Amino acid sequence: DAGVIQSPRHEVTEMGQEVTLRCKPISGHDYLFWYRQTMMRGLELLIYFNNNVPIDDSGMPEDRFSAKMPNASFSTLKIQPSEPRDSAVYFCASSLRGGGPQETQYFGPGTRLLVL
Amino acid sequence: DAKTTQPPSMDCAEGRAANLPCNHSTISGNEYVYWYRQIHSQGPQYIIHGLKNNETNEMASLIITEDRKSSTLILPHATLRDTAVYYCIVSVRTGGTSYGKLTFGQGTILTVHP
Repeated sequence: DAGVIQSPRHEVTEMGQEVTLRCKPISGHDYLFWYRQTMMRGLELLIYFNNNVPIDDSGMPEDRFSAKMPNASFSTLKIQPSEPRDSAVYFCASSLRGGGPQETQYFGPGTRLLVL
Repeated sequence: DAKTTQPPSMDCAEGRAANLPCNHSTISGNEYVYWYRQIHSQGPQYIIHGLKNNETNEMASLIITEDRKSSTLILPHATLRDTAVYYCIVSVRTGGTSYGKLTFGQGTILTVHP
C-alpha cells in the first residue's frame, strides 16, 4: 500500500486566497483525521471522520476552515479566506477500527502551507 | 485524556539503548499508553502501545510500571536514524466520539550521536 497520500506537499498562497488540501487514506481504513502542526501549538487534531461522517470537529479553529469526505478514499480540508496565521504543516492520518493494533493511526507526509 | 510529562531532550550514543521516560500519574484504568515518533519533516509514526503489560515489537519495548503511573520506551540499539521527537500519549480506546483521539504534547527530542 502507498500509505496516506497528501497533496500538495507544499503550498504558498497570499492572504485572502482559498486553499484546498487533499488526502487519500489507506484503502480499507474507516477513520480519517486532520491535524495541524505549528511551532507554537504543536500537533493539534482538527477534525476526524468515521465512515465518511464527521464525528468531532471541535478542533477546527473557526468558520474559515471546513473539511469534507465525499467518499472513503478522499478528503479535503479547505481554508477560505486564508490568513498568515494559518501557516503550518497539515497532516492527514487514517486508521482501521478494530480494538487491536489496527487502531494505529498512519500519518501522511503533510502539506506545508505558507500564507503570505 | 490523562496528561503526560516527558523530558524535553535526551542524548544517546549510537548502538546503545535509548530509554525514554514518561510520567502519566493521572492515567485511568481504561487508558492505553501510546508512543509515536516524528522524524524531521515527516509525519508521526506509530511505535508501540500497551495497557498494563510490557510490550515488545520489532521497533521497541514498552515497560509500564505496576501502578501504571509511568512508562519507559526502550530502543535497544539506537541508530542515527532514530533521532526524532518521541511522543508519549495516553488515550482511551473506545468506539465513542473520543475514539482514536491522540493529544500530542511537546515530546522528547532524542538525539543519537556517533
